[in-house]
Amino acid sequence: GENVEQHPSTLSVQEGDSAVIKCTYSDSASNYFPWYKQELGKGPQLIIDIRSNVGEKKDQRIAVTLNKTAKHFSLHITETQPEDSAVYFCAASINSGAGSYQLTFGKGTKLSVIP
Amino acid sequence: EPEVTQTPSHQVTQMGQEVILRCVPISNHLYFYWYRQILGQKVEFLVSFYNNEISEKSEIFDDQFSVERPDGSNFTLKIRSTKLEDSAMYFCASRGTSGGPNTGELFFGEGSRLTVL
Repeated sequence: GENVEQHPSTLSVQEGDSAVIKCTYSDSASNYFPWYKQELGKGPQLIIDIRSNVGEKKDQRIAVTLNKTAKHFSLHITETQPEDSAVYFCAASINSGAGSYQLTFGKGTKLSVIP
Repeated sequence: EPEVTQTPSHQVTQMGQEVILRCVPISNHLYFYWYRQILGQKVEFLVSFYNNEISEKSEIFDDQFSVERPDGSNFTLKIRSTKLEDSAMYFCASRGTSGGPNTGELFFGEGSRLTVL
């Protein structure tokens, strides 16, 4: 099955600096890579996603890059703000047929933005 | 904004007891999921449900687990005889159909924390 590795497990940055979180996946059949933000006591919330037919996607201060050959993808947050502090999870979906949508998550990165 | 709601937010139970966790997915969604997150660990897939049947399940989802959509709006996860290692946060999620069968945003609920003593 799919295995997703995520680094670092914790990341502290000064407000205004950039943060980068990296993930690798093992199953070359995976074709969908979402990133989730989880605030304390809440469920994961999708912040950006990328599909295997593109290499980069940007949404304001957040960008994601995908290298299919190397099987890794990264989340980039620029101009970080204290409200960006949360746990971030990467995930990959296994292409297992219509109707099923099994996400394999990384272990998460706890991002702390220091004011 | 539509959201997935889960009850209870926290349940404490004795080992061996049955537990039912409830979820109300977003109303026009067709795909439903349960994930769990043991404290400090990654979110793990348990089961997916579509068209009133399980479409996929993980190794974690053994015979002690079952899911049901009893009335067209609720989606439940039942654990028949809880074990200590079942203690975790259980997340329900739902998905619409835009973008094809393997794409589309998964919306998660806020979770039900299960503590087995």
